[in-house]
Amino acid sequence: RKEVEQDPGPFNVPEGATVAFNCTYSNSASQSFFWYRQDCRKEPKLLMSVYSSGNEDGRFTAQLNRASQYISLLIRDSKLSDSATYLCVVTPGTALIFGKGTTLSVSS
Amino acid sequence: NAGVMQNPRHLVRRRGQEARLRCSPVKGHSHVYWYRQLPEEGLKFMVYLQKENIIDESGMPKERFSAEFPKEGPSILRIQQVVRGDSAAYFCASSGQGNEAFFGQGTRLTVV
Repeated sequence: RKEVEQDPGPFNVPEGATVAFNCTYSNSASQSFFWYRQDCRKEPKLLMSVYSSGNEDGRFTAQLNRASQYISLLIRDSKLSDSATYLCVVTPGTALIFGKGTTLSVSS
Repeated sequence: NAGVMQNPRHLVRRRGQEARLRCSPVKGHSHVYWYRQLPEEGLKFMVYLQKENIIDESGMPKERFSAEFPKEGPSILRIQQVVRGDSAAYFCASSGQGNEAFFGQGTRLTVV
């Protein structure tokens, strides 16, 4: 089993849609979790940290399920500008381990 | 507040030459990570360094690749005797006491 797995997509949704991404991780000792966003050929940028109790930032909601070892990202009211690749990040030890990313394409 | 600075942004090397990629972390950050991204693929962890120490190099090829993060100056990723398969984007990230990492804009290496 890969350390961090994500559905690669692409997810093609219309503006205003709600879309959810899941990510599973293999190392139960993982301590920190993040979602990053990467636009085409650019550097990844931190979108949000993921806390055990779940957290929300505007249209974005992140949740962690330690028992099932997955994290999720929910995007409400999708905008064209949300089109990007979303990367799940887990820290099982010393390094940040990235999933391959899920591609989202929002169309008008 | 300068972010992570990588240079050069683009680097062209002939097969067999050496490539040196530099990364200056966010001021005050003592943790540096290097990642490689091949075209159409995800980010692959290469190495994690703290000042003067390599903490985890499990993602780095055993031959031709080396990394350092000296007490003074930027972190350096060095690739000796480059081959075409080394062509990729190399991203550096830094973090402080928290685990949130911030990325530089990357160095795009092309081997011809």
